Amino acid sequence: GENVEQHPSTLSVQEGDSAVIKCTYSDSASNYFPWYKQELGKRPQLIIDIRSNVGEKKDQRIAVTLNKTAKHFSLHITETQPEDSAVYFCAALYTGGFKTIFGAGTRLFVKA
Amino acid sequence: ETGVTQSPTHLIKTRGQQVTLRCSSQSGHNTVSWYQQALGQGPQFIFQYYREEENGRGNFPPRFSGLQFPNYSSELNVNALELDDSALYLCASSSGTELNEKLFFGSGTQLSVL
Repeated sequence: GENVEQHPSTLSVQEGDSAVIKCTYSDSASNYFPWYKQELGKRPQLIIDIRSNVGEKKDQRIAVTLNKTAKHFSLHITETQPEDSAVYFCAALYTGGFKTIFGAGTRLFVKA
Repeated sequence: ETGVTQSPTHLIKTRGQQVTLRCSSQSGHNTVSWYQQALGQGPQFIFQYYREEENGRGNFPPRFSGLQFPNYSSELNVNALELDDSALYLCASSSGTELNEKLFFGSGTQLSVL
């Protein structure tokens, strides 16, 4: 069925280190993979996305990679800062284009 | 450009009651999706409305229903509330172009069922 698995559920890093969050999806026809950041008590906000015809995309300190064959995609945050602390959700847009399925989330702690 | 707004922000109901949650989509968006987010979990897709028609549904029972109005605002109705319905309900609007990709979320309605 439609599923997005996300690991790890919790990640703690020292300020300045890198953080990597990994996701897998089940529908090989999925072609759009967004990442959302949700700070405590706030709404989820899109931070970066990638389409299936691209293997990697970068925006300043964040980057996403996609391996369509393996149905894996990952979020990489470099030079982490305390304000990066939040819950990060990966997601996949399923066939038909109307259903965005979310992973369970990764709680990232960046220690100053 | 106005963002997505939801009302009320918090709501307390008792088991068996009915509830209506409201969402105003972002200006220029004709598609609204509703999600249920339990504590510590990712948003779970309930359904989506596109130009006043239900455009897809997740694994939720029929007591979860919705409406979209000509101005693209939307309602989520839940009948016969159960304790497990306690969650944050998020509304997200999108532009309806290129497969309804980017979701813009409201701040949510926190529903507590006692």
